[in-house]
Amino acid sequence: GENVEQHPSTLSVQEGDSAVIKCTYSDSASNYFPWYKQELGKRPQLIIDIRSNVGEKKDQRIAVTLNKTAKHFSLHITETQPEDSAVYFCAARKSSGDKLTFGTGTRLAVRP
Amino acid sequence: GAGVSQSPRYKVAKRGQDVALRCDPISGHVSLFWYQQALGQGPEFLTYFQNEAQLDKSGLPSDRFFAERPEGSVSTLKIQRTQQEDSAVYLCASSLDPGSLGEQFFGPGTRLTVL
Repeated sequence: GENVEQHPSTLSVQEGDSAVIKCTYSDSASNYFPWYKQELGKRPQLIIDIRSNVGEKKDQRIAVTLNKTAKHFSLHITETQPEDSAVYFCAARKSSGDKLTFGTGTRLAVRP
Repeated sequence: GAGVSQSPRYKVAKRGQDVALRCDPISGHVSLFWYQQALGQGPEFLTYFQNEAQLDKSGLPSDRFFAERPEGSVSTLKIQRTQQEDSAVYLCASSLDPGSLGEQFFGPGTRLTVL
């Protein structure tokens, strides 16, 4: 089955700096890669996703890049703000009806 | 609009008790997923329904876990003879249909603590 690895497990940045979280996946059949933000005690919320037919997608301060050959994808957050502090999960999926396989999460702390 | 809801939000059970966790997906969503999230970990897949059909139950950890969605909307995850290792947050997610963009919308979860 699919295996998703995520690094780093914790990340602390100064407000205004950029943050990068990286994930690798094992199953070349995976074609959909969402990123979820989960605040303490809250539900995971989708912040951005990318499909395997594109290499990069951007939405304001967040962007995701995908390298299908290397089977890795990354989340980039620019101009970080304290409200970006949360746990971020990457995930991979093979088809729109299939389960998500999640990474182990990155706890991001943005220092004011 | 109404999102995915789950009840109860918190459940404390004594070891050996049976529990039932409820999920109300977004109205009209065909696909429904259950995930288990242990403390400090990512969600792990348990089972998947398309309408009332349970198409994948490969993630259920033991035969003590059972899920149903008899009318293709509300789903119940039942855990029999609970064990301490069952303590986790149980997340439900729904998506519109298998052929759509496929975003999974998550509920707030049920935090199960087994004493």
